[in-house]
Parts: sequence; structure tokens; C-alpha cells
Amino acid sequence: GAVVSQHPSWVICKSGTSVKIECRSLDFQATTMFWYRQFPKQSLMLMATSNEGSKATYEQGVEKDKFLINHASLTLSTLTVTSAHPEDSSFYICSARDSEASRHTEAFFGQGTRLTVV
Amino acid sequence: GQNIDQPTEMTATEGAIVQINCTYQTSGFNGLFWYQQHAGEAPTFLSYNVLDGLEEKGRFSSFLSRSKGYSYLLLKELQMKDSASYLCAVMDSNYQLIWGAGTKLIIKP
Repeated sequence: GAVVSQHPSWVICKSGTSVKIECRSLDFQATTMFWYRQFPKQSLMLMATSNEGSKATYEQGVEKDKFLINHASLTLSTLTVTSAHPEDSSFYICSARDSEASRHTEAFFGQGTRLTVV
Repeated sequence: GQNIDQPTEMTATEGAIVQINCTYQTSGFNGLFWYQQHAGEAPTFLSYNVLDGLEEKGRFSSFLSRSKGYSYLLLKELQMKDSASYLCAVMDSNYQLIWGAGTKLIIKP
């Protein structure tokens, strides 16, 4: 199946610093990518939808100035957690669907990024 | 609002069969997905149903009834490696995936 690569797999940062997470579709183009956050023992929560060449669409309650999303190409989206705080510690996962395929195809997920803010 | 319900946790024995149910109420329907997620890892795709009926794929089968807003994932010949969370997700009228909370499946020897 299609491959989505997410980097880094885990990161520890100091409170107040910023962290950038990359999501790449390796063998397909993705006009749209999705960023999720998952706290322990909870479901995936959609944070934002990343659109190539335009502004991301954020879900209610997600601060767009804190979680900066850039989708500069058809294969790359980045999520930057700015001024991170311990409560931002979570598992962040990106996913993408092949732009050329039917809308009914499955989403492919990156490996996820475990962020710990100390 | 949109809602997807699935049991929080289930326990089964190695070699047995288990059925994980999922009921949904969403604004529109463009298919239902089942994903498997091991702890600390990203979800991996298992199955997709858009028409009523049973889809079989090896040891895993998925069933859908659109009129009842109901699906189940059936796992046969359970193996220890099947211990994971199983996520039900519905694609709504905007082609957005709405996720259930997941069912943690514990397999005992």
C-alpha cells in the first residue's frame, strides 16, 4: 500500500520551545493531509486539515497560531507546535489520501510522533 | 451531532472468534473503515465497507448494515499478535473521517 513517512518518531523538548513535525507521502500525491492528536487510551482527534497551496482548516478548539501547518507541496505537510507546554505532550499522527484515487479509498497514516514537553 | 459507539474493551482467548461491534450516527455516509492500532503506533487499515453485507479478508471479516447504522469486525483464529485497539471510522458526507474511541482487544492464552 501507499506509504506516508512522518518524522521525527519521538521528540523531547523544553517548555517554551517549538517543534516541527514533517509528514511526507512517498509514492503518491496528497492534495489534502490530516493532522491528528491522540492522548493515551483515547481516540484519534482531528486537529486540522492541511490543504496544498492554501490555508489549513482547523477544528474547533484548536489554536491555529499555536499549531502552525504548512502544506507547501503535494507530498509534504508540516506541523509546528509553537511555544510548547507540557499539556501539548501527546501522540501526533498525520494521514493522507491519494489525490488521484477515488474518494472512497482508505487513508494512510504516518508512523506518528511522540512529543514530550518537559 | 455525529457519534460512533464501540465497546471500550473486550477479552478473548487465543484461537477463538471475537466480534467487535460499531454503531454510528453521522451526517451522510460514504463508507465505514476498520483500523488496527497497536500501542504507540499509527493505525493500519483493515477493511472498508460501503455496501451492505460481509467483506471477508483472511481471518478478518467486516459487516455493514446501513439501514441500522451498524457494523462489526469479526476476527477468527485469534492470535496473540491480534491484541490491539480496533478503530471504527465513518466517512461522512464531506468525506471526513469520524472516529470511534476504539475497542481494546485483549487476547489471553
